[in-house]
Amino acid sequence: EAGVAQSPRYKIIEKRQSVAFWCNPISGHATLYWYQQILGQGPKLLIQFQNNGVVDDSQLPKDRFSAERLKGVDSTLKIQPAKLEDSAVYLCASSLVWRNEQYFGPGTRLTVT
Amino acid sequence: GENVEQHPSTLSVQEGDSAVIKCTYSDSASNYFPWYKQELGKRPQLIIDIRSNVGEKKDQRIAVTLNKTAKHFSLHITETQPEDSAVYFCAARRMDSSYKLIFGSGTRLLVRP
Repeated sequence: EAGVAQSPRYKIIEKRQSVAFWCNPISGHATLYWYQQILGQGPKLLIQFQNNGVVDDSQLPKDRFSAERLKGVDSTLKIQPAKLEDSAVYLCASSLVWRNEQYFGPGTRLTVT
Repeated sequence: GENVEQHPSTLSVQEGDSAVIKCTYSDSASNYFPWYKQELGKRPQLIIDIRSNVGEKKDQRIAVTLNKTAKHFSLHITETQPEDSAVYFCAARRMDSSYKLIFGSGTRLLVRP
């Protein structure tokens, strides 16, 4: 089966600019996650969707980050405006349902200068 | 809040030796403990997981043990090979849709040929 797809793979922007990431989960997976992985750390959950509804966004900096999954399939994560500390790899993952194994995408490496 | 501590942060072993990575968790209600392997520049991949009704689980050269009383779990890799070199992350969560996966900070394992 095809894996989780993410684009772009790399992005370099200046602080205060905006950026958007896209994720296409494995077909049929109802649960979608966005993680932030700062260099040298484990992934940290930003937001979890169940179909097109938000289950958990407690660690999403809502003043600058937003995410949507309008049709319950693809998802986008946006940062506006970006800060230097947002430099990280943004990982998307999906699972059949919340209790099943999470499959990760290749990630988007964001560098904010 | 929930926390997962992982040790050591780096581990170097000779090929053929065993490697042990340890994690402790703070949420006593956690009952699902997966381990992920992340090779350089690649996505995290699940290598083994254990649920709280089991004390030990093995899969070829990999085993995980769980001590719920002490709130710690460990990954054991026997007969290590150079291709085992990677960063390993432990994680913990409750098996409840409202709880998220909490990752440890990772262990960089280097297997010397």
